[in-house]
Amino acid sequence: GAGVSQSPSNKVTEKGKDVELRCDPISGHTALYWYRQSLGQGLEFLIYFQGNSAPDKSGLPSDRFSAERTGGSVSTLTIQRTQQEDSAVYLCASSTRGTVSNQPQHFGDGTRLSIL
Amino acid sequence: ILNVEQSPQSLHVQEGDSTNFTCSFPSSNFYALHWYRWETAKSPEALFVMTLNGDEKKKGRISATLNTKEGYSYLYIKGSQPEDSATYLCAFPTSGTYKYIFGTGTRLKVLA
Repeated sequence: GAGVSQSPSNKVTEKGKDVELRCDPISGHTALYWYRQSLGQGLEFLIYFQGNSAPDKSGLPSDRFSAERTGGSVSTLTIQRTQQEDSAVYLCASSTRGTVSNQPQHFGDGTRLSIL
Repeated sequence: ILNVEQSPQSLHVQEGDSTNFTCSFPSSNFYALHWYRWETAKSPEALFVMTLNGDEKKKGRISATLNTKEGYSYLYIKGSQPEDSATYLCAFPTSGTYKYIFGTGTRLKVLA
């Protein structure tokens, strides 16, 4: 079946613009995660959705970042007034259940965001 | 502060060599340890999810062991091939559920 799909695959934008990143998880996966990898850094947890609810938003780096998920499926990560430090690869992953830790995550190919 | 450390940071081996690398994690409040392989220009792929002390899992030429009491896991690759070249990541759920901390990975390059 189809894997996790992310769009766009690449995004170049000017500092100060808003960007929206999209994630389509695997059908039936209730858990959805957003991560980012900045240059030279490891994967950084941003936010997790169980269904449409995000129980913990503390991983979002600033109030310029927001995320939502609708219909228990598609999720969007929005960055307002982008800054150069937002440049990174943003990865989305889904799993069958987030409430147990023995379920592997299935990742998308990521969105490479570059802020000029 | 919970931390997951991987070593070495990078490694080059010759085709046919066997190799191994380490993931260290907090030994208290252990829930699971995940291993992923991330090839360049692809998405991270799950290799193993390990939950029990003494677990040993195998997938082809790749295997992993787990020691929860001392807080480490080893990943072994037997007879490395160029297609094994990738970054190998381990991840640890901090609260037993959704908030995963990833190590910075071991970047493996297998030379033909």
